[in-house]
Amino acid sequence: DQQVKQNSPSLSVQEGRISILNCDYTNSMFDYFLWYKKYPAEGPTFLISISSIKDKNEDGRFTVFLNKSAKHLSLHIVPSQPGDSAVYFCAASFYNSGNTPLVFGKGTRLSVIA
Amino acid sequence: DGGITQSPKYLFRKEGQNVTLSCEQNLNHDAMYWYRQDPGQGLRLIYYSQIVNDFQKGDIAEGYSVSREKKESFPLTVTSAQKNPTAFYLCASTRDRGLGTHNEQFFGPGTRLTVL
Repeated sequence: DQQVKQNSPSLSVQEGRISILNCDYTNSMFDYFLWYKKYPAEGPTFLISISSIKDKNEDGRFTVFLNKSAKHLSLHIVPSQPGDSAVYFCAASFYNSGNTPLVFGKGTRLSVIA
Repeated sequence: DGGITQSPKYLFRKEGQNVTLSCEQNLNHDAMYWYRQDPGQGLRLIYYSQIVNDFQKGDIAEGYSVSREKKESFPLTVTSAQKNPTAFYLCASTRDRGLGTHNEQFFGPGTRLTVL
């Protein structure tokens, strides 16, 4: 059973507009969430994270929102740029996990159209 | 430069042959992981190791084997028992900051394995 779900396999957005990528989780014990960005034939790179004690974390054009009651998080990219075109993975972990593996969603492919 | 290296970038093997994928890190990270990526499947965990000489199976360990004899190395062997070995393989690592901490995973560039 998937614990981290990204229900939109793909998303197309015009350059300059906002991109919103969504992620839902089922395990209420998750308390730390991460977003990774991946280009084809490359390894994922860390983008931004959020702890469950916060509901928002911002880093430049990227903002992650967390709604714990809905078990939902979203990544906002404003403004979107063609270089943002990639696959975005949502991941989750437990506070007391030490080095236990992250749980990943299946990813959302973002296409930013110039 | 600190990082994770995976070699080779592309690997071709004949069906029925075992093949070993290399993963090396010079980040002094304690834990290392192997994932497999297939189209539409996201990242699926094969094996992970939190300390030297110890490793655990992930969600799809069947047909794979690993070793962790050195902290910086975590090779993955794809055996002939793996039914669908053609995939993109990713290695990752984290530094152990102890329980109660969050550990971001750093990924290598990946190896594309094609079994003919």
